[in-house]
This record gives sequence, C-alpha cells and structure tokens, in this order.
Amino acid sequence: EVQLVESGGGLVQPGRSLKLSCLASGFTFSNYGMNWIRQAPGKGLEWVASISSSSSYIYYADTVKGRFTISRDNAKNTLYLQMTSLRSEDTALYYCARGYSGYYVMDAWGQGASVTVSS
Amino acid sequence: DIQMTQSPSFLSATVGDRVTINCKASQNINKYLNWYQQKLGEAPKRLIYNTNSLQTGIPSRFSGSGSGTDYTLTISSLQPEDVATYFCLQHNSGYTFGAGTKLELK
Repeated sequence: EVQLVESGGGLVQPGRSLKLSCLASGFTFSNYGMNWIRQAPGKGLEWVASISSSSSYIYYADTVKGRFTISRDNAKNTLYLQMTSLRSEDTALYYCARGYSGYYVMDAWGQGASVTVSS
Repeated sequence: DIQMTQSPSFLSATVGDRVTINCKASQNINKYLNWYQQKLGEAPKRLIYNTNSLQTGIPSRFSGSGSGTDYTLTISSLQPEDVATYFCLQHNSGYTFGAGTKLELK
C-alpha cells in the first residue's frame, strides 16, 4: 500500500525557517517525481513545488520561489521542503503527493502537515 | 496561468441521486484533468485521471467527461459514503486546482 507521511510542521514566527519531511513507503520512491501542495485555512489547494525522480528537474510556484527549496533523499525514501523567510500567508496544511507527469500525476497524497506562521 | 472555476461550491443531494460537479478551465487543457475526493481528516484520493479514466478501486458510479475547457464529474447514484469535498486538478500547463465542492446528504 502506498503511504506518504508528512512531518515537521508546527508554529513558527514570521521570518523564520521550517523543514517538512515526507516519508514514502509501499512503492519504489526513486522512480517517481514528487510534489508539495498546500491549503491555507478556508482556501483552495495551491501547488507549491515539484521534483523529478532524480532531482534533475525542480519547479516552484512564484509565491514561494526563492524562499522554499524542495529536495529528496532516495536512499531514505524521503521528500523535503525547506521553507525560509516564512510569512503569515504561508500558514497552511502542506501535503506531499506522488507523481507529476503522465498517468501518475498526484495519484497518492499524504494527510498533511500543519504549518502556522505567527508571532 | 490557467484558472479553474469549479461549481457548485456546495451541493446537497439525496441517496440515489445523480450528482454532477463541473470544472471550467480558462483555456483548453487537452483533457489533462483529474478529480479527487477528500473526506474530513483524510488524505485526498484520486478518483478520475485524464478526464475519464477511473482510478483502480474506485466504484463505477463515479465517471468523468469533458473536453476543451469544460469537464464534469458524475456520481450516478449517490451513496452515504460519498459525502466529501471534491476538487479538480488541471495538469496541462502547471497545476491548478478547482476551489472544491462540498457534497452533503439532504
């Protein structure tokens, strides 16, 4: 069974940093591109970033470009999102999801990690 | 950027009803449209990919259709376990989600 489990969320002050992790199991992690998607309270879903299976290709939403960094460790079956210079508008539930092209586009999701940016 | 307009935002229906949810893209998305179901406190689940392909394990009462800019998710006979929020995703150019439809039982 495909499982994606996010961790690392919490309360952080504006301007500070936080790193999310997504531990994958039940599939060959190194074969799939991965994504981060977020949902702010009372808002719709917003794509944040994607990374190819070998980290050769990386894409960011304009809203996080230059502040967030997506990365992965295929040996540890783990996806990361390093978030810096956090703003109140980054407050959201952050999901990781498998697949960013072809048949596998976002075909499996985790339950999310909550990030609150507040002083 | 492609915008996705999803309707309705809220839907109340009776068990056995045929339910339709719509997504309209701001430009042609070439059938690169997925549908998801999200129940309270659970991870989103993909129901339909590329407009009309049913995800393995999803009941056949769920179906998708559309082309160009207009897409529809249909539940042929609503069941109590279908109470959830549904949203669409276009992946023709970048990724854009619809705002969601909250489906409740009448």
